[in-house]
Amino acid sequence: EVQLLESGGGSVQPGGSLRLSCAASGFSFSTNAMSWVRQVPGKGLECVSSISGGGLDTYYADSVKGRFTISRDNSKNTLYLHMNNLKAEDTALYFCAKVRNTAPKWFDPWGQGTLVTVSS
Amino acid sequence: SYELTQPLSVSVALGQTARITCGGDNIGNKNVHWYQQKPGQAPLLVIYRDNNRPSGIPERFSGSNSGNTATLTISRAQPGDDADYFCQVWDSNTDMVFGGGTNLTVL
Repeated sequence: EVQLLESGGGSVQPGGSLRLSCAASGFSFSTNAMSWVRQVPGKGLECVSSISGGGLDTYYADSVKGRFTISRDNSKNTLYLHMNNLKAEDTALYFCAKVRNTAPKWFDPWGQGTLVTVSS
Repeated sequence: SYELTQPLSVSVALGQTARITCGGDNIGNKNVHWYQQKPGQAPLLVIYRDNNRPSGIPERFSGSNSGNTATLTISRAQPGDDADYFCQVWDSNTDMVFGGGTNLTVL
């Protein structure tokens, strides 16, 4: 069974930093692309970053470009999202999700999410 | 950037058919995927590539896509179908794009 377990969320002041982690199991992690998708409670979904299986190709939404860095440790089956210079508008539930490697791409499955709150 | 438009809410009587639309420019030329999200839960893929159901998704869920509109159809609606539904496409220029989501209420 594929499982994704996020951790690392919490409360932080504007301008602060956090590192989210997503522990994966039940599939060949190193050969699968992964993404971080966020959701403001009660609102829609936004893919903020994606990374290829080998880690060489990455994508960032304009809203986080230059502030967030996605990475992965395939030896630990773990995905990361390093978030710097956090803003109030980054407050959201952050999900990690497995991405289909080739087009057309979709997310399946998703983790349960970790909540990030940016507030002074 | 590519945009997907969904109605904010749809209501359906118990046992009837619900249709949730997802509008986009020539969306019929893209592959559309649908997710169901119940309160407090992660999104769940219910349709991929316009009209394909993942293992474990009931046959009551189906999809279609043509022109400027993709549609998720839920037949014989049940109380357990109460949820938010999101459409999504992948575009080589803008990567993953989601619709704003539709709240389905089964009356």
